Amino acid sequence: QVQLVQSGAEVKRPGASVKVSCKASGYTFTSYDINWVRQATGQGLEWMGWLDPHTGKTGHSPQFQGRVTISMDTSISTAYMELSGLTSEDSALYYCARDLGSGTYLRWFDPWGQGTPVVVSS
Amino acid sequence: QSVLTQPPSVSEAPRQRVTISCSGSGSNIGNSAFNWYQHLPGKAPKLLIYYNDQLPSGVSDRFSGSRSGTSASLAISGLQSEDEGYYYCAAWNDRQDTYVFGSGTKVTVL
Repeated sequence: QVQLVQSGAEVKRPGASVKVSCKASGYTFTSYDINWVRQATGQGLEWMGWLDPHTGKTGHSPQFQGRVTISMDTSISTAYMELSGLTSEDSALYYCARDLGSGTYLRWFDPWGQGTPVVVSS
Repeated sequence: QSVLTQPPSVSEAPRQRVTISCSGSGSNIGNSAFNWYQHLPGKAPKLLIYYNDQLPSGVSDRFSGSRSGTSASLAISGLQSEDEGYYYCAAWNDRQDTYVFGSGTKVTVL
């Protein structure tokens, strides 16, 4: 079955970077975009960015300008999200999700990975 | 503050029906499709409705979606205790080139 499996929990110091992986299985990795979404404790869902595994093209929310890098390794069907300059406000559950939509205005995510907790603390 | 506005919470008794609204700004949402996600405690979000009113395979037909202009609604009929959780609408914001989620609505089954 289609599945996205993410890397494990991370604890980082302020100012550090974190890299979360998302391994896809059960479908052709290059056929669907991967998106990254996070949820801080007690907050709602926040979209971070996307990756087109077919072209390698990426995009991200202006909220994370200069701090987020989305990449991939197609040989192992894995997407990555790296966030730098961490602060306590980046403590959150980070999700990857497959985009089943068919264009910029037609995006919907299914399935989602299990989530990766990231704690930023000194 | 999200460009998609949802009520913070709704509650209803078991077997009843609830409706969650999602109001978007026309200049931001335009022709984007509205989607709905269910986020239950301790679980990953789940796609509930896509492209305004389409039900994904495997999702109960107790859930239904509709759209009118730049607003959308999610209805849950035959409310069950297992439906308790958060529900988010989402769409592409073409002004900011971002995918935006509503602020989320907490559903409580009384």
